[in-house]
Amino acid sequence: DVKVTQSSRYLVKRTGEKVFLECVQDMDHENMFWYRQDPGLGLRLIYFSYDVKMKEKGDIPEGYSVSREKKERFSLILESASTNQTSMYLCASSSGTLYEQYFGPGTRLTVT
Amino acid sequence: ELKVEQNPLFLSMQEGKNYTIYCNYSTTSDRLYWYRQDPGKSLESLFVLLSNGAVKQEGRLMASLDTKARLSTLHITAAVHDLSATYFCAVDHYNTDKLIFGTGTRLQVFP
Repeated sequence: DVKVTQSSRYLVKRTGEKVFLECVQDMDHENMFWYRQDPGLGLRLIYFSYDVKMKEKGDIPEGYSVSREKKERFSLILESASTNQTSMYLCASSSGTLYEQYFGPGTRLTVT
Repeated sequence: ELKVEQNPLFLSMQEGKNYTIYCNYSTTSDRLYWYRQDPGKSLESLFVLLSNGAVKQEGRLMASLDTKARLSTLHITAAVHDLSATYFCAVDHYNTDKLIFGTGTRLQVFP
């Protein structure tokens, strides 16, 4: 079974802090994704990566950056957290065949 | 721009009844996915539909895909409380690896 793990289930940070969200998958998937989920807005893609050191912007990249130094790990970075980045963050991975995405458990981030 | 619309957004149904959730999308795509999300939890993959006419069934849920009509349905047969969750459809974005998600259908099954 594919397993996608995220470093924290719940996180509380202060405005202006630098925040790192880590995601690790164990199935050698090429593709990894970061989404945020907000009530009434569904899932919105922040960034995705097709391969190590490759990244592409999704629909809402502003205020975020990413890093993929190893195939199994994809990090989301909030350079200076703001209250409007309070959200549920979901990481996913997929392979280049079915493209079915497997999701991690999510990180509920609160910025105060 | 690819858009994915689900309806209804909310569905409250009695146990034992049947109902269908609809997923419409705006441009050509041959791949459609259904996911389930329980409150406070992440998304769980239910079905992968990869061609026109594809039909998949698992327990009381059956999903189908009509690529010509750009429509997928998720049919619920004899609903039970355990099916209460939010259901999302997602469409492959122009045969890239990106998925565009619908807004979700929140299903509540009551006795």
